Parts: sequence; structure tokens; C-alpha cells
Amino acid sequence: GDSVTQMEGPVTLSEEAFLTINCTYTATGYPSLFWYVQYPGEGLQLLLKATKADDKGSNKGFEATYRKETTSFHLEKGSVQVSDSAVYFCALIVDFGNEKLTFGTGTRLTIIP
Amino acid sequence: AAGVIQSPRHLIKEKRETATLKCYPIPRHDTVYWYQQGPGQDPQFLISFYEKMQSDKGSIPDRFSAQQFSDYHSELNMSSLELGDSALYFCASSLPGREGRYEQYFGPGTRLTVT
Repeated sequence: GDSVTQMEGPVTLSEEAFLTINCTYTATGYPSLFWYVQYPGEGLQLLLKATKADDKGSNKGFEATYRKETTSFHLEKGSVQVSDSAVYFCALIVDFGNEKLTFGTGTRLTIIP
Repeated sequence: AAGVIQSPRHLIKEKRETATLKCYPIPRHDTVYWYQQGPGQDPQFLISFYEKMQSDKGSIPDRFSAQQFSDYHSELNMSSLELGDSALYFCASSLPGREGRYEQYFGPGTRLTVT
């Protein structure tokens, strides 16, 4: 079945550090890939997406590139801020009519000043 | 901008009771999805509706049922509640069609506690 494997957390970084959160996937079809962010007490927010191989999604300084050859979609940010502290979920939707998002287990990120 | 509205935000029920969760999608969104997120877990897809018809089904227990109404709001009905049903229940909505499902907008969730 379809699945997403995420880097184990929690992750703690100092402000302005470089961030990478690894994400790999297994899919029966051709997936579209997403990163969602969940701030404390809030719902999930779409951070960025990529719908085909070699696409780069970007938003708020975060980037992720859809790598079909390594089945990966790693999230990166060059300089994190305290306000980036949240839980980050990698997710996929497989094409051909499926409706559901399949999520990874989430990575809790804490940025310390 | 209008967002997905869920009610109630918090709900406490006892075992074997029933619960009804409501979801009001963003205006012009006619597709609704329900997800369940257990403590420390990733969200799991339960069910989705498009134009008041069930469009996809995930790991939803038989004790649960859901529907979408003519105004596109949706309700998740949960009966014979079990302790393991304690979770955060998210509703999401999207525009219709193949591209719409790539932009699922999530509500703040309903936290259900079963005691």
C-alpha cells in the first residue's frame, strides 16, 4: 500500500540554523506530494506541494523537491525562526481518483532563540 | 478569509454514548473529508463526500456514519463510543475535481474524549 516515512523527531534547532526534515514515500501509482504544518492547538495547513517529478514546492522560505529516483520529498529551510516551531507532516495523494491524503508520522520541530 | 468551521471544538462523552461532529466547508467548496488523529499519531483518512455522495472511504469503523447535506455541511455520527475513539477529528474541504483535492483546507478539529 501507499505509505510515507518521515524523519523521526523531535528535532530541536537554534534560531537561524539550517533545517532538513527527510521524507520518503512508497506509492502504487504516481503520487503528488505535500508538506503540511500543524501549529499548537490548530488544524493542518498546507505548506507546499509538488505534483510531478522534479517539481520544487516553496513557501515561507521552505522548499522541497520531488525526487522520483530516490522517492523522496525532503523539506528544507535555510534559516529557521522561533515561529517555525510546529509539527510537520509529509503526505501524498496517489493519482487515479483517490481522495485521501496519506500522512507520515509527523516531525515535531522546536526552535530555540 | 473564511475557513472550515468545526463544532464542537471539544467534546467529552462516556463509553457507549453517541456523538455528532459537524463540519462547515469553505464557501464554494463542495468536497468534504474527515480524518482522525490519535494522540501522537498521523491523521488517518475516514471518509469523503462530493456533491452529497460518498466519494471515498478509508478506515472508518462500522459504528461511525457520515453524510453531507444540501448546504454542503457534513456530520460525522459516532455510536457505541469506545475509549480508543478519543482523538482529534479533522474536517477538510476542497474545490471539486481532480485539481481541487490537491488543496485540502483543514478545520481546527474537534477533540473527542471518551471516558
